[in-house]
Amino acid sequence: EDQVTQSPEALRLQEGESSSLNCSYTVSGLRGLFWYRQDPGKGPEFLFTLYSAGEEKEKERLKATLTKKESFLHITAPKPEDSATYLCAVRPSNTGKLIFGQGTTLQVKP
Amino acid sequence: NAGVMQNPRHLVRRRGQEARLRCSPMKGHSHVYWYRQLPEEGLKFMVYLQKENIIDESGMPKERFSAEFPKEGPSILRIQQVVRGDSAAYFCASSPPEGSTYYGYTFGSGTRLTVV
Repeated sequence: EDQVTQSPEALRLQEGESSSLNCSYTVSGLRGLFWYRQDPGKGPEFLFTLYSAGEEKEKERLKATLTKKESFLHITAPKPEDSATYLCAVRPSNTGKLIFGQGTTLQVKP
Repeated sequence: NAGVMQNPRHLVRRRGQEARLRCSPMKGHSHVYWYRQLPEEGLKFMVYLQKENIIDESGMPKERFSAEFPKEGPSILRIQQVVRGDSAAYFCASSPPEGSTYYGYTFGSGTRLTVV
């Protein structure tokens, strides 16, 4: 069964304190791993798509990496405006739908 | 350059009434997906549609829920005889045809359904 597990469920950081969010997955053929950011009361906002092991993508303070079993979202020197829920999702090879993890809620304190 | 448009943003229904949620995909997108998000939970896939066609409805409850994406107009998610457990945020996403230069999923702002 296709499955996505994110850890930790919640993460509190001080401003400037770097850390990583984990996304472990099992999927019948991976056609893409997606990271989204979701603010309270809003829809998910696209961050990255990764397609193959070893791939990395960066955007401002965020960097996403991918292996055959997991993905990491590294946050370098976070700011309070990075506070949000970060969602990881996979697209199995035999379907167009996304399967989401439960998300990691990040709080960055000034 | 409008994104995915969902309406209404908030919907209150009494138990037993019908709820209709609308989704207009991004321009150029031909695929629509519906997801449900319960409080403190992740997004759960419900249904995947193309124009006039249901491609995958494996996440739809067997009863009371239906979805359509007609040739003209928005996609509609319909919930008949709503119950308290249907209270959730419902998100729509759209994507372009396979093989597009940019392939990705764009989400709307959601419809928050409250059943009283």
